[in-house]
Amino acid sequence: EPEVTQTPSHQVTQMGQEVILRCVPISNHLYFYWYRQILGQKVEFLVSFYNNEISEKSEIFDDQFSVERPDGSNFTLKIRSTKLEDSAMYFCASGGTEYSPLHFGNGTRLTVT
Amino acid sequence: GEDVEQSLFLSVREGDSSVINCTYTDSSSTYLYWYKQEPGAGLQLLTYIFSNMDMKQDQRLTVLLNKKDKHLSLRIADTQTGDSAIYFCAERSEDNAGNMLTFGGGTRLMVKP
Repeated sequence: EPEVTQTPSHQVTQMGQEVILRCVPISNHLYFYWYRQILGQKVEFLVSFYNNEISEKSEIFDDQFSVERPDGSNFTLKIRSTKLEDSAMYFCASGGTEYSPLHFGNGTRLTVT
Repeated sequence: GEDVEQSLFLSVREGDSSVINCTYTDSSSTYLYWYKQEPGAGLQLLTYIFSNMDMKQDQRLTVLLNKKDKHLSLRIADTQTGDSAIYFCAERSEDNAGNMLTFGGGTRLMVKP
């Protein structure tokens, strides 16, 4: 069964550094998402992306965050200058249509020190 | 904003049925989902129900929706040790564009042999 893959599985970075989290969505999907889960808290929506542009974003997704689909297969989340509070598990998801159930990747655990 | 709540923990014996409950506040929910997360893994879509349905059965899984009380449950028949995981309820509101899901905090299911 096709799946969403995320790399790396764990990323450690120093405060103030830039990080890029990578995702390969399911190949025929058109809708892409990032969610995050801070340890002990709920999974939270960050951003949705369709047709090469952001369709929705949450309050969390401020100017430090950006997303990109640089080629036909990858979908990336960039955090420009990481803060301690950015430490979380980041999940990528994709869907075939706007209303399809989301398929999630295994997540990237980001630790900011 | 929307809120989704779940109990934190459920323990059952192998072979028994498990019932995981979820309540939500959004009157405009369209789809409700159950995801499973095993240790170190991502969010695996188990099943989902459209808000105009009150029941959906899929092999050992039965989803019940009481829209009046805004209560969703997931019943797992003949629970196995491999069912031990965290189960997340999530809802999608018609007020939100695209697939912005609101998640509950997750219920950790422990199955004792």
